[in-house]
Amino acid sequence: QVTLRESGPAVVKPTQTLTLTCTFSGFSLTTSRTCVSWIRQPPGRALEWLALIDWDDDKYYSPSLKTRLTISKDTSKNQVVLTMTNMDPVDTATYFCARGSSGPNWFDPWGQGTLVTVSS
Amino acid sequence: NFMLTQPHSVSESPGKTVTISCTRSSDSIATYYVQWYQQRPGSAPTTVIYKDTQRPSEVPSRFSGSIDSSSNSASLTISGLKTEDEADYYCQSYDRNNHVVFGGGTKLTVL
Repeated sequence: QVTLRESGPAVVKPTQTLTLTCTFSGFSLTTSRTCVSWIRQPPGRALEWLALIDWDDDKYYSPSLKTRLTISKDTSKNQVVLTMTNMDPVDTATYFCARGSSGPNWFDPWGQGTLVTVSS
Repeated sequence: NFMLTQPHSVSESPGKTVTISCTRSSDSIATYYVQWYQQRPGSAPTTVIYKDTQRPSEVPSRFSGSIDSSSNSASLTISGLKTEDEADYYCQSYDRNNHVVFGGGTKLTVL
């Protein structure tokens, strides 16, 4: 059974750096054509893709957020970490991680998500 | 970067058929796979269609996906609508640089 769980702070202050961890089980990020992606969803709004890291340690970022994002993996811990710098209230959202299949870039399953509020 | 455009909302009666479109702004819709996700309030998205037309085994056959190169769009069709199908639906694809894009989402109301 594949599961993913996001963890991180519920509240961050403007200008701070957000660090989120995706801890997964039931698959390995060393398996060919496997990836993990981060996606966010502001309250009441649409999904927005943030970043992806694949089994070969290739990393891809949303062009609009590229300068603020860093994605990394620790295969020994089955974790993927996303950092986002210079947080702003508009970054308030539920942040999801999801297992992906490289090529079709199909994401399934997703974690339950973690709500991050940016407020002073 | 490209965009995927979906209708903001659609509504239909139980038992009827509804189709949700997803139009790609650049590059051929047929070149990069399209996925469709269902999201109920307070829950994470789940896949209803992947790789344009494939349906996960747990998804009812009432759900089907297609692509139309002439309109450069993908479509999700749900037949025999049930009240439980009421949810937000998102299309998703990517480009040659492996940048992923989600559509703006479509709220399906079954009334």
